[in-house]
Amino acid sequence: AQSVTQLGSHVSVSEGALVLLRCNYSSSVPPYLFWYVQYPNQGLQLLLKYTSAATLVKGINGFEAEFKKSETSFHLTKPSAHMSDAAEYFCAVSAPWRDDKIIFGKGTRLHILP
Amino acid sequence: DAGVIQSPRHEVTEMGQEVTLRCKPISGHDYLFWYRQTMMRGLELLIYFNNNVPIDDSGMPEDRFSAKMPNASFSTLKIQPSEPRDSAVYFCASSQAVGTGDNEQFFGPGTRLTVL
Repeated sequence: AQSVTQLGSHVSVSEGALVLLRCNYSSSVPPYLFWYVQYPNQGLQLLLKYTSAATLVKGINGFEAEFKKSETSFHLTKPSAHMSDAAEYFCAVSAPWRDDKIIFGKGTRLHILP
Repeated sequence: DAGVIQSPRHEVTEMGQEVTLRCKPISGHDYLFWYRQTMMRGLELLIYFNNNVPIDDSGMPEDRFSAKMPNASFSTLKIQPSEPRDSAVYFCASSQAVGTGDNEQFFGPGTRLTVL
């Protein structure tokens, strides 16, 4: 079975500061991992995904995430926060080739301080 | 492609009324998912279909909820009778076949339901 844990339901960073959103996963098979973003009053959209190729994955809007098998982590980072990054971020895991579903974490709301 | 389309975007109804939410998945996607999002419970998977067949409805909260997918391009989620606690944002998402190894889900904009 697969699961994800997002550490911190709310994270605040100053504009221009490093963004770090934490995600740890559990999976019985080599997983696929996703980060989705949800802006206010919108649906979820994919930021980036790890599908067993490069461990450092680059996504849209300057975000990237690194798959670390030894730590079972897939943390999301961005070097310099922008006000437009304020949103809710969801980490998700799936078991490719085996399971139809994606298991989502509870989400982390990112606040950007001026 | 227009992406996943949901209608209506907003629905306000009174307790006891029937509510029908609609979804058109991305063409060629074999999987369709219905989610509910609330502040208290976050994002919950209600039910999903593969090739128009319901696969797992264990997330459907009560018998008042039902979902259908009469064809590959249309699905409905119905609540009858509706209750105030059903107020939430309901999302539809679709994805390709599992056999591609890439089951990224594409979400619609959601339907915000308010039951008075």
